[in-house]
Amino acid sequence: GAVVSQHPSRVICKSGTSVKIECRSLDFQATTMFWYRQFPKQSLMLMATSNEGSKATYEQGVEKDKFLINHASLTLSTLTVTSAHPEDSSFYICSARWGGRGYEQFFGPGTRLTVL
Amino acid sequence: AQSVTQLGSHVSVSEGALVLLRCNYSSSVPPYLFWYVQYPNQGLQLLLKYTSAATLVKGINGFEAEFKKSETSFHLTKPSAHMSDAAEYFCAVSDYDYKLSFGAGTTVTVRA
Repeated sequence: GAVVSQHPSRVICKSGTSVKIECRSLDFQATTMFWYRQFPKQSLMLMATSNEGSKATYEQGVEKDKFLINHASLTLSTLTVTSAHPEDSSFYICSARWGGRGYEQFFGPGTRLTVL
Repeated sequence: AQSVTQLGSHVSVSEGALVLLRCNYSSSVPPYLFWYVQYPNQGLQLLLKYTSAATLVKGINGFEAEFKKSETSFHLTKPSAHMSDAAEYFCAVSDYDYKLSFGAGTTVTVRA
């Protein structure tokens, strides 16, 4: 149980285009979803927190107009990287939690974004 | 805000030897602590978690960790390393807002 999927697993795009990444909780309704980015050989950095039906809360230094987050349902959150540039190339990981499991988060497999 | 320090960015052990990964946290309130493992190009898998119950926590794959409040530590151990334990390990602490703060990570390599 508590499986989180991400799609796509890998994406390559040209500079200036927008990319959408989906995060789904497959067998539970997620109270909250989180988006992280991870640079090579580094730790995970929280980008934003999203709750279903409300605006995402972004961490300091994360451009909300560049990284658009939509949490349309209790099982789906999307991250759109708008006007992507090479410096946005990274590994993006989502996680989800639900009230019945307290503080534990369940992580998706990640999406490797490469911007040319 | 919570923070986590992982001592040692890289640990190399022989197969069958003890694995010890160190984690210290700073917290002004009782913490919720986690150890995750990450294999290349994959997400994170929970190894174990401390949520104010027993101070010695047993997890998957033979790992365990001991919460020591006096030392603000939550070190991860495994008595006998296996080749499949080669991975990146992250210690994390959660605040009451459910956000996770991660340590820098420790890369474990296992020598045959």
